[in-house]
Amino acid sequence: RKEVEQDPGPFNVPEGATVAFNCTYSNSASQSFFWYRQDCRKEPKLLMSVYSSGNEDGRFTAQLNRASQYISLLIRDSKLSDSATYLCVAPNFGNEKLTFGTGTRLTIIP
Amino acid sequence: DTGVSQDPRHKITKRGQNVTFRCDPISEHNRLYWYRQTLGQGPEFLTYFQNEAQLEKSRLLSDRFSAERPKGSFSTLEIQRTEQGDSAMYLCASSRRTRQETQYFGPGTRLLVL
Repeated sequence: RKEVEQDPGPFNVPEGATVAFNCTYSNSASQSFFWYRQDCRKEPKLLMSVYSSGNEDGRFTAQLNRASQYISLLIRDSKLSDSATYLCVAPNFGNEKLTFGTGTRLTIIP
Repeated sequence: DTGVSQDPRHKITKRGQNVTFRCDPISEHNRLYWYRQTLGQGPEFLTYFQNEAQLEKSRLLSDRFSAERPKGSFSTLEIQRTEQGDSAMYLCASSRRTRQETQYFGPGTRLLVL
């Protein structure tokens, strides 16, 4: 089993819709998690951190379920600019090593 | 620009040649990381430094790969006797030395081995 698993998509979603991604992780010792966004041929950029049960930032909500070992990302009122690959990340205990999922590709359709 | 910088941004080389990449972290960050990303995959951890000390190396880092950070500032990643399978994006990231500190990525060096 991979340490971090994501549905690679692609997700093609109409503008204004709500979309949710799930990610499962295998290391129960992981304390914090991240969602990174990566545009085509660009570097990953931090979107959200998830340290406890969840985090909300504007249209974006991340939730953590430790019992089931999954993290979710919800995007409301999606914009064309949300089109990107979303990477789920589980770091090791000291955050020295980030383990990335394969990423979920999202395309927002006008 | 005060972000992480990497040089070169692109490198095309022939199989068997040696290549060296450079990473300049954000100035106040004492942790520096190298990752490799291939098409359709997320970045994979290679190694990291705290100041000048290399503290962890992935098993992905074969003996053809060597990374240094001699003065605790910039870092170099060298690949000797390149193989076609080394073709990838090599990403550098840096962070402060605190738990839960965000890693900030540079733009990457895209390597193509012919």
